[in-house]
Order: sequence, then C-alpha cells, then structure tokens
Amino acid sequence: EAGVVQSPRYKIIEKKQPVAFWCNPISGHNTLYWYRQNLGQGPELLIRYENEEAVDDSQLPKDRFSAERLKGVDSTLKIQPAELGDSAVYLCASSLRTSGQDTQYFGPGTRLTVL
Amino acid sequence: GQNIDQPTEMTATEGAIVQINCTYQTSGFNGLFWYQQHAGEAPTFLSYNVLDGLEEKGRFSSFLSRSKGYSYLLLKELQMKDSASYLCAVRDQNYQLIWGAGTKLIIKP
Repeated sequence: EAGVVQSPRYKIIEKKQPVAFWCNPISGHNTLYWYRQNLGQGPELLIRYENEEAVDDSQLPKDRFSAERLKGVDSTLKIQPAELGDSAVYLCASSLRTSGQDTQYFGPGTRLTVL
Repeated sequence: GQNIDQPTEMTATEGAIVQINCTYQTSGFNGLFWYQQHAGEAPTFLSYNVLDGLEEKGRFSSFLSRSKGYSYLLLKELQMKDSASYLCAVRDQNYQLIWGAGTKLIIKP
C-alpha cells in the first residue's frame, strides 16, 4: 500500500514569492492534516480536513496561507507571500477517522527555505 | 494551557536499555502516541496507549498511567539505527493531537 505522497521534497524561494505544496493521502483515508515543523520541535497543526471540509484551521495564518482539498482526496497548501519565518518542514498526514485509534501517517515532508 | 514534557536529549549505549519519559497536561485524554523521527525524515508511528498499562511490540514497549499524566517508551537491545528523535503526542478532548518537542536519542557504540 502506497504511503502519503508529498511534493516537492525541497523548495528554496525568495521572500515575498508564492509557494505551493501538494499532498496525496493514503487511499481511503478521509482525514488529512497539514503540519509545520521547525527544527527541534514537534509538529504544529495548521489545518485538518475531514473529507472536503476544513474542520480545524484555527492555527492557519489566514492572511498568507490557504489550503484546499478538492474532491476529498489530494490537497494543496499555499503561502503567498512567503516570509523568512516560514522556513520549516511542511508535513502532510492522513488517517482513517473512525472510532478507535485513528493513527496519523505522515508523508516525507517538504523542506521550505525562504531567503 | 496544554503541555507535553519530554527530555530534550538522551544518550545510551548500543545493546543497552533506555527509557524515555513523557508527562502531559491536556484538556481531556483520548490516547497517547509515540512516534520515531530520523533526522530529515517524517515521523513514523511506534505505539498507542489509551488504557493504563504496558503495551509491548518487539524491542519497544510503551507504558501509560492516566492518573499520573505519565508515559514512557522503553527501548531494549539498542541498535545504532535507533538513533532518532522520539515524539510523544496526546489526543485531547477535541480529538486534536498535542505534540511534545521530542527527545533526541544518541546511541554510542
């Protein structure tokens, strides 16, 4: 079974430029998460989708970040314009949100460097 | 506020046993997860505890005491490949995962 797929793996941009990240979750997983992780810290949730609906986006900086999950499968996270402080690893995870364990499985992440 | 505490770094010897502790204060409790994260890679799932007691999975075991807000991850017969960060995460009453900063484990020969 294929895992969570993310692209690109690495991205270097100059500040004020736009950038987009793509995620394809594990087949059948209805819940998708976008996290940001800084070095030496745990992941920080940006947004959680259940199917097409964003059910938790309280930590998403909405002035510059946006996300979408069309058709409840793939998702895109966009930053426009990027700032120096956005340099981090952006992780996508998915889970099958039924009763019980609901383990999150992570993709390899996109390492963003803003110059 | 919600808080997860783990030691920042630990060092152990190949072949030995190490215990990584995690204490938490969260709004409600709906399970505790341990993940392993090698440098430059994504977190991978290790274990899940929702009831008090010990869960054993090969060389790795995880323990939970809900009354004490405490968990530990026990790694036996340490191998060099176990060098990684170990993340503790608690699912709160809103079903959101609260993450610790991780414990960097260094294995020496």
